[in-house]
Amino acid sequence: KNQVEQSPQSLIILEGKNCTLQCNYTVSPFSNLRWYKQDTGRGPVSLTIMTFSENTKSNGRYTATLDADTKQSSLHITASQLSDSASYICVVNSGGGADGLTFGKGTHLIIQP
Amino acid sequence: DAGVTQSPTHLIKTRGQHVTLRCSPISGHKSVSWYQQVLGQGPQFIFQYYEKEERGRGNFPDRFSARQFPNYSSELNVNALLLGDSALYLCASSLLQGSDYGYTFGSGTRLTVV
Repeated sequence: KNQVEQSPQSLIILEGKNCTLQCNYTVSPFSNLRWYKQDTGRGPVSLTIMTFSENTKSNGRYTATLDADTKQSSLHITASQLSDSASYICVVNSGGGADGLTFGKGTHLIIQP
Repeated sequence: DAGVTQSPTHLIKTRGQHVTLRCSPISGHKSVSWYQQVLGQGPQFIFQYYEKEERGRGNFPDRFSARQFPNYSSELNVNALLLGDSALYLCASSLLQGSDYGYTFGSGTRLTVV
């Protein structure tokens, strides 16, 4: 069964600090991996997408890494801001249609002033 | 360009009632997918429609149904509502059925069943 596990489940850090969120997956076949940011009560917004051959992708203060051999990904947030408070969801795509998406439960990040 | 629009944004229903949720995809996108997200969990796949045909169905009871219209907008219907149907319902649009083109999510409809 395809699974995506994220850690930590929740995280509280001070504004201006860095943090790293983890995603481990057992999804086969593998097409791509996306990180989404989801504000409370809102839809997920895509931050990065990586295919099998990519191991790093940046989007402003967000940097995602992918190790396809160990089936691990991380999302690093630099110089956190209050607006970074949200859930961050890792989604692994096995290809095909929308039923090929496997979602993690997300990491709930809280940035404190 | 308008993104994915969903209506209504919030909805309160009583057990046993029926509900219809609506989604308009990004202009030019031909596929719409529906997801249910219970608080604290990741989204669960319900349906995908492409070119007005059902192309995928998740593990949901027959109380859940959907359709796609000629303009590619979509409706999700849920009959005989249960308390457990309370969730954020997300719609995602994509250019084609295949996932390589990415999925753009709407802001969701928050359904509360009392």
